[in-house]
Amino acid sequence: GAVVSQHPSRVICKSGTSVKIECRSLDFQATTMFWYRQFPKQSLMLMATSNEGSKATYEQGVEKDKFLINHASLTLSTLTVTSAHPEDSSFYICSARKRGDQISNTGELFFGEGSRLTVL
Amino acid sequence: GEDVEQSLFLSVREGDSSVINCTYTDSSSTYLYWYKQEPGAGLQLLTYIFSNMDMKQDQRLTVLLNKKDKHLSLRIADTQTGDSAIYFCAERFDSSNTGKLIFGQGTTLQVKP
Repeated sequence: GAVVSQHPSRVICKSGTSVKIECRSLDFQATTMFWYRQFPKQSLMLMATSNEGSKATYEQGVEKDKFLINHASLTLSTLTVTSAHPEDSSFYICSARKRGDQISNTGELFFGEGSRLTVL
Repeated sequence: GEDVEQSLFLSVREGDSSVINCTYTDSSSTYLYWYKQEPGAGLQLLTYIFSNMDMKQDQRLTVLLNKKDKHLSLRIADTQTGDSAIYFCAERFDSSNTGKLIFGQGTTLQVKP
């Protein structure tokens, strides 16, 4: 169990368009999901923390109007890159924490396969 | 602020042991993790260690934690070509109470036949 799926896995779009990436927990409910961005040969940069039913908490330096996050249900969070530009090209990864998982637990996060965005 | 540092690259021969090192700055970390990422894929949790432990062994994997020096290492015994991947250490930054993780830059492990 504990599978997280992202869709699409790859997307190519034109500059100026918006792209939506979905993150779904397939066999568990996730009260918290995290969105990361990964540049080639670099670490995962946490972009935002998404809590079901509330506004996302963005990390410093991440434009919330640029990267819209919606966590409408306990199994789905979406990241929309608005007015995408070539510099937004990156590998975006989501992770999810199981509902009911207490901070005192191991806090294991389950990661999606990632979505590669290429903006032309 | 929180920061996690790793060396970027390690090359070993098949059958040898690999040791990947990591240092972190947040002394309030409760859990530290090792994740593996294969090309074009998401992250897979390999193992974790609670901060009041010094060592944890799980089959071919041994995690050592020196809390005084804020140093974490992952030893892979009898390294195989299938172990070639990027390995990330991460600390749980509990101050935010969300359980968010801060990752190191990742160490690329190359296993030569």
